[in-house]
Amino acid sequence: DGGITQSPKYLFRKEGQNVTLSCEQNLNHDAMYWYRQDPGQGLRLIYYSQIVNDFQKGDIAEGYSVSREKKESFPLTVTSAQKNPTAFYLCASSSASGVVETQYFGPGTRLLVL
Amino acid sequence: AQSVAQPEDQVNVAEGNPLTVKCTYSVSGNPYLFWYVQYPNRGLQFLLKYITGDNLVKGSYGFEAEFNKSQTSFHLKKPSALVSDSALYFCAVRDWGYGQNFVFGPGTRLSVLP
Repeated sequence: DGGITQSPKYLFRKEGQNVTLSCEQNLNHDAMYWYRQDPGQGLRLIYYSQIVNDFQKGDIAEGYSVSREKKESFPLTVTSAQKNPTAFYLCASSSASGVVETQYFGPGTRLLVL
Repeated sequence: AQSVAQPEDQVNVAEGNPLTVKCTYSVSGNPYLFWYVQYPNRGLQFLLKYITGDNLVKGSYGFEAEFNKSQTSFHLKKPSALVSDSALYFCAVRDWGYGQNFVFGPGTRLSVLP
């Protein structure tokens, strides 16, 4: 899992509640990414950021929000607008947004709805 | 648009036998291909990538992959499987002509039987 940490490992959300997933990297990577993993569907991109103070929507951004105030941090907020948030969430980073750069992943956060 | 297919949900192989996990892709430009492995409740670990050059790419833990442009395939192989290789394997593609993000296949679960 390299130098990428995600917390918490498990997170429980009550209906109508916003929750924030943490992602921190000490690899000095410029680009960071958030993916959602559901069984049998592979990984789907939620948001990505290529530089500080800039981020772009991925394929399934509705109901999620992010910020990138520091190079090493890229928190993801799951809002109450996300009606089916139960999933495994993975954060990744890469040294640049160039096409050949490998993405490295954190250990993941499993979000469950109470 | 770019896409990745992993035609087998599950692959079973006996320990010591060779293994193959299949991946086919579709891109509009030059393909950049990756394989990752995921153990239960963990993040993805990078195994290998193809950017250019030799069609046979060697990676971590004795894995290798063969790029075949005419068949648009990038199959993952290992000459002798270990029980510890049992995991979920993801193929991913980046297409310079499409954008800078990964597209992941749905994953193939490999079970190595003792």
